[in-house]
Amino acid sequence: QQPVQSPQAVILREGEDAVINCSSSKALYSVHWYRQKHGEAPVFLMILLKGGEQKGHEKISASFNEKKQQSSLYLTASQLSYSGTYFCGPTAGRNTPLVFGKGTRLSVIA
Amino acid sequence: DAGVIQSPRHEVTEMGQEVTLRCKPISGHDYLFWYRQTMMRGLELLIYFNNNVPIDDSGMPEDRFSAKMPNASFSTLKIQPSEPRDSAVYFCASSYHGEQFFGPGTRLTVL
Repeated sequence: QQPVQSPQAVILREGEDAVINCSSSKALYSVHWYRQKHGEAPVFLMILLKGGEQKGHEKISASFNEKKQQSSLYLTASQLSYSGTYFCGPTAGRNTPLVFGKGTRLSVIA
Repeated sequence: DAGVIQSPRHEVTEMGQEVTLRCKPISGHDYLFWYRQTMMRGLELLIYFNNNVPIDDSGMPEDRFSAKMPNASFSTLKIQPSEPRDSAVYFCASSYHGEQFFGPGTRLTVL
């Protein structure tokens, strides 16, 4: 079942912060985050694993609440290059595939 | 490394024709995924392979869709016959330790 992302879209000015949330109806093993720029393929940002192990990319952070089956992506001091659509992709187990949310469109303006 | 390679990048065909999309994963990756992306449905997983073996094809929409992975360096997604509603961007992705690397996609238009 597809996770729910919120907000669906957000517009920021450079330097502002944003939080993107991802909720699943299933117990989670891990959550992946990807960013897709218009006309391009999704690019990996981060994996958050059950038990707290975290891998990161760039200067974007995230949290993973296993009990609430939620993950949040934090973008601080946003830059123009952060614009794009952000997808979360939870997994239910170690070798189970991602199920991507519908994405959050982030626009950063000068 | 060249990354995941997909061909063709664009395909325009007429309804009823057979379409074959191709993917070369990153060398050494043991998982390969086929996704379809549309505005309405987002990014959908169609099928995935582990060590060339199909693991889950429950996302394949109909019998018109089939996928193969004859070896570790090549996979195909075939649509026969194609229909206008198959128009979408099809991505192939490969992974080894969880992180998925996506190819540039094939934009398919079925007239």
